[in-house]
Amino acid sequence: RKEVEQDPGPFNVPEGATVAFNCTYSNSASQSFFWYRQDCRKEPKLLMSVYSSGNEDGRFTAQLNRASQYISLLIRDSKLSDSATYLCVVNSPGTYKYIFGTGTRLKVLA
Amino acid sequence: EPEVTQTPSHQVTQMGQEVILRCVPISNHLYFYWYRQILGQKVEFLVSFYNNEISEKSEIFDDQFSVERPDGSNFTLKIRSTKLEDSAMYFCASSGAGGRGGELFFGEGSRLTVL
Repeated sequence: RKEVEQDPGPFNVPEGATVAFNCTYSNSASQSFFWYRQDCRKEPKLLMSVYSSGNEDGRFTAQLNRASQYISLLIRDSKLSDSATYLCVVNSPGTYKYIFGTGTRLKVLA
Repeated sequence: EPEVTQTPSHQVTQMGQEVILRCVPISNHLYFYWYRQILGQKVEFLVSFYNNEISEKSEIFDDQFSVERPDGSNFTLKIRSTKLEDSAMYFCASSGAGGRGGELFFGEGSRLTVL
């Protein structure tokens, strides 16, 4: 099983739609979880950290399910500018290392 | 807003040549990283650096690679003898808290093209 796994997509959604991505991780001892956004040929940029209680930032909601070892990202009222690749990042327990998923590509269509 | 800066933004080199990629992490951060991303592929961990030494390195980070923090501000990645397969985007990142909850902040990357 891969350490961090994501559906690569693409997810093609119309403007205004709600879309959700999941990411599974293999090490149950992982403690730190993040969603990053990456535009084509650019650096990953932190979108949000994922807390145990779940957290929301505007149109974006992140959830953690420890029992099933996955995190999710929900985007409401999608904008054209949300088109990007969304990267799931998980720490490797006992190390300073962070592992990236392959990313899920989102295209928001006019 | 503090940021991670990287130079050069793009370097073209011949196979077998040495390359040094430079990074200036965020000034109060303690944990430094290099990641790479081959075009169309995932972001891959290369090395982490803390307290002036390597804390982890991946299988990719073989003897051809080295890192250094020569002067308390710069953090460099050296590839001794480049191969075609080293062509990739190299991202430097820094964090205030390492793998214990601290977010990574990335530079804009250095694109390396090996001919």
